[in-house]
Amino acid sequence: QKEVEQDPGPLSVPEGAIVSLNCTYSNSAFQYFMWYRQYSRKGPELLMYTYSSGNKEDGRFTAQVDKSSKYISLFIRDSQPSDSATYLCAMSYPQGAQKLVFGQGTRLTINP
Amino acid sequence: SAVISQKPSRDICQRGTSLTIQCQVDSQVTMMFWYRQQPGQSLTLIATANQGSEATYESGFVIDKFPISRPNLTFSTLTVSNMSPEDSSIYLCSARQGLGAEQYFGPGTRLTVT
Repeated sequence: QKEVEQDPGPLSVPEGAIVSLNCTYSNSAFQYFMWYRQYSRKGPELLMYTYSSGNKEDGRFTAQVDKSSKYISLFIRDSQPSDSATYLCAMSYPQGAQKLVFGQGTRLTINP
Repeated sequence: SAVISQKPSRDICQRGTSLTIQCQVDSQVTMMFWYRQQPGQSLTLIATANQGSEATYESGFVIDKFPISRPNLTFSTLTVSNMSPEDSSIYLCSARQGLGAEQYFGPGTRLTVT
């Protein structure tokens, strides 16, 4: 079983829709949670960073963490064609180098 | 956030040769990392580049194949040695600043081995 599970999609939705992206994890030692956006042929771009259960909002993006269920989500409101990318969840332990463990990535397409 | 550049951006290499990838950060960072991303796949950590000491490798990656240097707080190199077609991948450098866990990534080096 992988430490971090993410539905690879692909996911295709119409412009303006609310998008929900999800990851589950198996190790309760993970304490820091991130969402990255990766456009084709580019490096991952950090979108959201959280370390506590609950919601964190930044513009059209909301990150949600539920540590009791080992479940994290990223919501995108009023989705735009420019949001079309691969979204990767990542998490790390609090100790040591705090290296990241990534999900498989979800490929998202927003259709105009 | 740190701005990270990598050189080269892409290369096509012959089997059996070696390629060194450079990673430059625009500010001092606490940690630097090297990842591999195979076509259509997620990121896999190769190693943590430690400043002034030997890198820490993940399971499945060895120093003889992927030697890493980090001479200072803003620069690191990854060498892919004795390459085979299976090494064709995107190699990404990342960095972490301060005490936070978030990492910032470079644009990647797209390597094709023929």
